[in-house]
Amino acid sequence: SAVISQKPSRDICQRGTSLTIQCQVDSQVTMMFWYRQQPGQSLTLIATANQGSEATYESGFVIDKFPISRPNLTFSTLTVSNMSPEDSSIYLCSVEGLYGYTFGSGTRLTVV
Amino acid sequence: GENVEQHPSTLSVQEGDSAVIKCTYSDSASNYFPWYKQELGKGPQLIIDIRSNVGEKKDQRIAVTLNKTAKHFSLHITETQPEDSAVYFCAASRSGTSYGKLTFGQGTILTVHP
Repeated sequence: SAVISQKPSRDICQRGTSLTIQCQVDSQVTMMFWYRQQPGQSLTLIATANQGSEATYESGFVIDKFPISRPNLTFSTLTVSNMSPEDSSIYLCSVEGLYGYTFGSGTRLTVV
Repeated sequence: GENVEQHPSTLSVQEGDSAVIKCTYSDSASNYFPWYKQELGKGPQLIIDIRSNVGEKKDQRIAVTLNKTAKHFSLHITETQPEDSAVYFCAASRSGTSYGKLTFGQGTILTVHP
C-alpha cells in the first residue's frame, strides 16, 4: 500500500492566521482526499483533490476556508485559513490504492 | 449521499472474550467496506476490508461479514488482547469510481481489560 508523509505532525497557531499542511505520497495517485477529525469524533471528508483540476468540496466546507493545491500526482496541500479555535482538529490526507485507502499520520492543529 | 451508522459507541470486554461491532449503510451502490483501527495520536490503520461480491472475510482473529440485502456489516474480533484496545471505525465507499470517497461511522471505543 502507498506510504504517506504528512507535515507538520502538530502545530499550535494563533487565531486569524493560516496553516498549510503538506501530504506526500510515494506513488502516483489519481485522487487524494482530505479529512477532518474533530476531538473525539469520526472522520469527515473536507474535499477530494484531483491533479489538474479544482478540488471538489463537501457540504459545509468552502474553498476560501480550506484552499487545496494538487500540483502533481504525488503531492497535495491543504490550507486552513483565518483560523479560529473551532478549527482545532486532526487533519488527515488519504489516497486510494490497490489495497484500499491509506491515511497519513495526521496533523494535530490547536488554535489559541 | 451515503450515511453510515455504527454501534456500539463504547465496548468493554475481558481479555480472551470476543468483540462485535456493527454498521449499517444507506447507499446500495457502495461496494467497499473497510474497518480501521485508530490508536491515540495516530492515523487510522486498515485492519480488514470486504467488497460487495463477498459475504465474509477472515484474517486470523479478525473477521468481517457483509449482508448486502440488509445493508449492514460487522467486525468480529476473537480472543481479544489488551493491545486490541483502540477506536475502531467502519466505512463505506463506491470504490474505483469518481465517487470513491469514504464515509465513516461514528467510531467504537474498544477497551480490553486484562
